[in-house]
Amino acid sequence: NAGVTQTPKFRILKIGQSMTLQCTQDMNHNYMYWYRQDPGMGLKLIYYSVGAGITDKGEVPNGYNVSRSTTEDFPLRLELAAPSQTSVYFCASSYAPAGQGLLAETQYFGPGTRLLVL
Amino acid sequence: DQQVKQNSPSLSVQEGRISILNCDYTNSMFDYFLWYKKYPAEGPTFLISISSIKDKNEDGRFTVFLNKSAKHLSLHIVPSQPGDSAVYFCAASRKTSYDKVIFGPGTSLSVIP
Repeated sequence: NAGVTQTPKFRILKIGQSMTLQCTQDMNHNYMYWYRQDPGMGLKLIYYSVGAGITDKGEVPNGYNVSRSTTEDFPLRLELAAPSQTSVYFCASSYAPAGQGLLAETQYFGPGTRLLVL
Repeated sequence: DQQVKQNSPSLSVQEGRISILNCDYTNSMFDYFLWYKKYPAEGPTFLISISSIKDKNEDGRFTVFLNKSAKHLSLHIVPSQPGDSAVYFCAASRKTSYDKVIFGPGTSLSVIP
């Protein structure tokens, strides 16, 4: 199994450009998440989804949009890139809701997308 | 503002010795704690967890201790191996709020052969 895959691995954007970060999982997980990690900081939740067609905001959603048309895919859209969005982005998935104290809620992370906005 | 703190950005330990990674939290509502391990250019992977009803959880060479009164937990790795060199993230959550897994900034562990 490939697990959670993310593309691209690295991207440089100019201010104001838009792009979509792709995330795909092949574990048939209902729950998917997008995090960003800034230098010296922990991962912060941007958006999450509890199933196809259902998404909700996390801690830092401003400047991002998501969609979940299938169980497998959870793309993250940046509409107007800003330098503050320079970060490493991680997608994750889990069988059960994360943080519930169940082994089934273990989050599986992708390798990350490094984004630089200049 | 940081609800989960890992005050040591880095730690170096000799192979075979004990590694102790520390984590402090400020929100007394957290009732579930996790440790993730991250190698360069890879995503974090789940390592071990502990519920607030316990004060210790062990899995092979890894043991997590929880001191609720001090709002402190620690991860012990015994014996440390070079393959343990990675960044370790402490995370905390409330079981009723699955969208709120809060991660600490991480501690980079180097195990020296």
